[in-house]
Amino acid sequence: DTGVSQDPRHKITKRGQNVTFRCDPISEHNRLYWYRQTLGQGPEFLTYFQNEAQLEKSRLLSDRFSAERPKGSFSTLEIQRTEQGDSAMYLCASSLVSGNSPLHFGNGTRLTVT
Amino acid sequence: DQQVKQNSPSLSVQEGRISILNCDYTNSMFDYFLWYKKYPAEGPTFLISISSIKDKNEDGRFTVFLNKSAKHLSLHIVPSQPGDSAVYFCAASAYQFYFGTGTSLTVIP
Repeated sequence: DTGVSQDPRHKITKRGQNVTFRCDPISEHNRLYWYRQTLGQGPEFLTYFQNEAQLEKSRLLSDRFSAERPKGSFSTLEIQRTEQGDSAMYLCASSLVSGNSPLHFGNGTRLTVT
Repeated sequence: DQQVKQNSPSLSVQEGRISILNCDYTNSMFDYFLWYKKYPAEGPTFLISISSIKDKNEDGRFTVFLNKSAKHLSLHIVPSQPGDSAVYFCAASAYQFYFGTGTSLTVIP
């Protein structure tokens, strides 16, 4: 069990640029989640996949955000035309489908939009 | 709307004493509850969970209590150790996970 891996750990970008983050879940986990966390807040749900199917997307998620999980393994989260309000920690988590299974988080990608 | 609430942003406890962290939720459909611990610059780490069919679950120094009628859960840490100093998040799930805003615990040696 190598845990959930996220890349990069930090990303600084200028407003208006596109950024892409990668997440590699725990290998036997079929569910993969993306969360966003800002200072003083808990993780906020963005979207989740079961295998390669994106099952839910937050109503709060702008159209500038898109996520993929093409082969049901790793996932990418892309933010187009970044804005300063996108600055946050982006967390990926994975879990098993069966029963009550906890989320296991990666260490996140910290995005700073200047 | 915040479906999971942690009303105490911070808590300080002497080493060896009990730490009690509290969490309230509003959605009666939640059936699975969890606590996570977070150190700076790391992702949240799963600590302990409880299903809605139980009212208590223990794992070593950590015990989670669930009061469904009050829509309240709590995490007890006893005895508290300096290494327990971290931010603790509670979470609740029906099929999607909702998190509270966290309580920063400081254990004073």
